[in-house]
Amino acid sequence: DAKTTQPNSMESNEEEPVHLPCNHSTISGTDYIHWYRQLPSQGPEYVIHGLTSNVNNRMASLAIAEDRKSSTLILHRATLRDAAVYYCILRDEGSQGNLIFGKGTKLSVKP
Amino acid sequence: KAGVTQTPRYLIKTRGQQVTLSCSPISGHRSVSWYQQTPGQGLQFLFEYFSETQRNKGNFPGRFSGRQFSNSRSEMNVSTLELGDSALYLCASSWGTGGAYSPLHFGNGTRLTVT
Repeated sequence: DAKTTQPNSMESNEEEPVHLPCNHSTISGTDYIHWYRQLPSQGPEYVIHGLTSNVNNRMASLAIAEDRKSSTLILHRATLRDAAVYYCILRDEGSQGNLIFGKGTKLSVKP
Repeated sequence: KAGVTQTPRYLIKTRGQQVTLSCSPISGHRSVSWYQQTPGQGLQFLFEYFSETQRNKGNFPGRFSGRQFSNSRSEMNVSTLELGDSALYLCASSWGTGGAYSPLHFGNGTRLTVT
């Protein structure tokens, strides 16, 4: 299974944009890039996913490099409620429900 | 729309006992997956069920088992509990099983403590 690499931790100030990077140099053509986050004392929460083009939804934006070997999750205005562990995961188009979670990036947001 | 519901929220068991955890998926979702989360190993996939059939299984011993009912509700069972089974057990549901169109929706888990 293709793996992802993320920084262990990042800090941000409230109301500022946050760019969370993810490297996936062994990504295959059918792998979708998914992001989940886990707030304290909760289960993981789906954030966004994409294949080749940049994607936007109400929670975040996903910027995918042209060669697809890296991607960046963008939170446009961080809030205290965005403090969580963010996971970047690759899922094959035909995969089952087994996500392979890495260590993720722990995001701290300062007021 | 109700989310994924897991019961009980907390559980304390003794070594050697067995335990059954329950998961009610989001209405209409047919796929249910189970994960174990520990501080040392992080989130690890246990197994997935779709339409009452186990579709995939992670690398866990046979003491861990599960099943899915016709209404998509799922249970997982751990027999002969060991101290190392202490963990947060998470259930996730999705509409289908494809990676592109079926994000997983997780419950808040069952915290199992084995003493």
